[in-house]
Amino acid sequence: DGGITQSPKYLFRKEGQNVTLSCEQNLNHDAMYWYRQDPGQGLRLIYYSQIVNDFQKGDIAEGYSVSREKKESFPLTVTSAQKNPTAFYLCASSNPGLSSYEQYFGPGTRLTVT
Amino acid sequence: RKEVEQDPGPFNVPEGATVAFNCTYSNSASQSFFWYRQDCRKEPKLLMSVYSSGNEDGRFTAQLNRASQYISLLIRDSKLSDSATYLCAANLQNNFNKFYFGSGTKLNVKP
Repeated sequence: DGGITQSPKYLFRKEGQNVTLSCEQNLNHDAMYWYRQDPGQGLRLIYYSQIVNDFQKGDIAEGYSVSREKKESFPLTVTSAQKNPTAFYLCASSNPGLSSYEQYFGPGTRLTVT
Repeated sequence: RKEVEQDPGPFNVPEGATVAFNCTYSNSASQSFFWYRQDCRKEPKLLMSVYSSGNEDGRFTAQLNRASQYISLLIRDSKLSDSATYLCAANLQNNFNKFYFGSGTKLNVKP
């Protein structure tokens, strides 16, 4: 089955620790995205990547970092510099080069930092 | 001003009713639009894409009004299982394929 996987589903960390969220896709999509969703709010873009070894900051990149060493993988690191890291993190992918602009989402990781 | 705005609701409707949500967008250069359904504590799932004037899929119809810069979602014969939050998204179809999401409209379908 083609799709996007994110792990873990739930993650608990102490304040001051960095944490890395995994995102893997086997859809052969070029573009990948990280969003953050807070209760009652829409999705806010953290980082996106159009191709391997290239990524750009989204609207709320401060306190986050990413890498894109493989087409299938786009891990997100939440650093201790992120002021309010507790949120629902969603990874998405798309293949706009084929004029198909839909973004498809993974199941998300719910991060709680105390 | 937000790029995409939605009425948060909730819209409380009886089973079998027809319900419509609107979503307004501020960037007139937006080319394509999407409706996603999001269940509580789950990821958004693509419901419908709109690249031209509208789209229809069973009980769901999306209509685009470029002059007034809004897109609507109509759900006919509402089912209990339609209860969810519906997110609207717009994008410019440029190289970045950046989406602008609304905050969502909550729908409760009651028996």
